[in-house]
Amino acid sequence: DAKTTQPTSMDCAEGRAANLPCNHSTISGNEYVYWYRQIHSQGPQYIIHGLKNNETNEMASLIITEDRKSSTLILPHATLRDTAVYYCIVRPLGNEKLTFGTGTRLTIIP
Amino acid sequence: DGGITQSPKYLFRKEGQNVTLSCEQNLNHDAMYWYRQDPGQGLRLIYYSQIVNDFQKGDIAEGYSVSREKKESFPLTVTSAQKNPTAFYLCASSPDASGTYEQYFGPGTRLTVT
Repeated sequence: DAKTTQPTSMDCAEGRAANLPCNHSTISGNEYVYWYRQIHSQGPQYIIHGLKNNETNEMASLIITEDRKSSTLILPHATLRDTAVYYCIVRPLGNEKLTFGTGTRLTIIP
Repeated sequence: DGGITQSPKYLFRKEGQNVTLSCEQNLNHDAMYWYRQDPGQGLRLIYYSQIVNDFQKGDIAEGYSVSREKKESFPLTVTSAQKNPTAFYLCASSPDASGTYEQYFGPGTRLTVT
């Protein structure tokens, strides 16, 4: 599976857009980019996933570069409840396993 | 409400004892998973099951056992053979194991063995 690289931590002011980057330079053609987040001592929560087109849902937007070697998760109006560890995962279609790295610890500042 | 339940939230055991962690889902999902999380680390897959009466080892299955007698239940037993059992254990499910769908996670059980 392709490896991902994320910053260890980030801060964002409440009400601003939070932009979380992820590098996945070895991604292959059949691998999807998934984002999950984990609020302290809870189970991870699915946010969004995509293959090559940008995606948007009620929680976030996912921007994938044209070469697919990196992506950005955007939380448009961050709230204090968005403070969590955010995991970027590359997953081949047909693979049952999610391989979690250490993620980015996002702290929303009041 | 539909979802995944894990019980108990906190569990304490003495070294040398087997312990079984419960995971139940009412989402009618075929696939279920067990992960382990150590402090400051990501999740690692222990076992998964794609269908009733079938399961496969994940990356760190040694010292663990599972059963899948019912679609909605996937209990995990941490045996005395597991060298470092203290961890946060997470159960997940998805409609199937094809990788097409996201996984839904339970709230977790924090196991402490002394």
